[in-house]
Amino acid sequence: EAQVTQNPRYLITVTGKKLTVTCSQNMNHEYMSWYRQDPGLGLRQIYYSMNVEVTDKGDVPEGYKVSRKEKRNFPLILESPSPNQTSLYFCATRSSYPEKLFFGSGTQLSVL
Amino acid sequence: SQQGEEDPQALSIQEGENATMNCSYKTSINNLQWYRQNSGRGLVHLILIRSNEREKHSGRLRVTLDTSKKSSSLLITASRAADTASYFCATDARQAGTALIFGKGTTLSVSS
Repeated sequence: EAQVTQNPRYLITVTGKKLTVTCSQNMNHEYMSWYRQDPGLGLRQIYYSMNVEVTDKGDVPEGYKVSRKEKRNFPLILESPSPNQTSLYFCATRSSYPEKLFFGSGTQLSVL
Repeated sequence: SQQGEEDPQALSIQEGENATMNCSYKTSINNLQWYRQNSGRGLVHLILIRSNEREKHSGRLRVTLDTSKKSSSLLITASRAADTASYFCATDARQAGTALIFGKGTTLSVSS
């Protein structure tokens, strides 16, 4: 089954404690992206990757890092989380044609 | 950078009625897509319409696109309680590498 797998589903942490949210896909898509979703603000792109070793900033990259060492994985790293990063995070891949996104189930992050 | 704006923000209807949601955007696009999100879960792609298309159908969904007005509408016919969800339009702008830009969504509630 084609899927995008995110882990963990829920995460509660404290300010400053480094964390990683994993994302893995089995669809061989080159394009992967991270979004955050906040009430009243909709979905905003954090980072995206056009291919292995190629990453670029989205609209809200501050406080986040990503890496793309292999095609299937695209982890999101918060080196020093802060409360304003409390949000619902989604990983997504994009097919080449049609150019539609496939989303993971989401990670609800709370930073205390 | 917000591109699509859905209208209305919230819509409540009875089962069997039609639901219409609108989306306006600001810049030229390659295509416009509609996604559905059940409470807190990942978004699911519904339909894609290209800039050279005016109307598209998929089951009970009908999407229109008016590039001169920079607007789109999603019609769900004969709504069911299971259609209760948030619906987002997303625009695929012409800049290379930029993923879809999402609006803030319309929350649809269908009561039986």
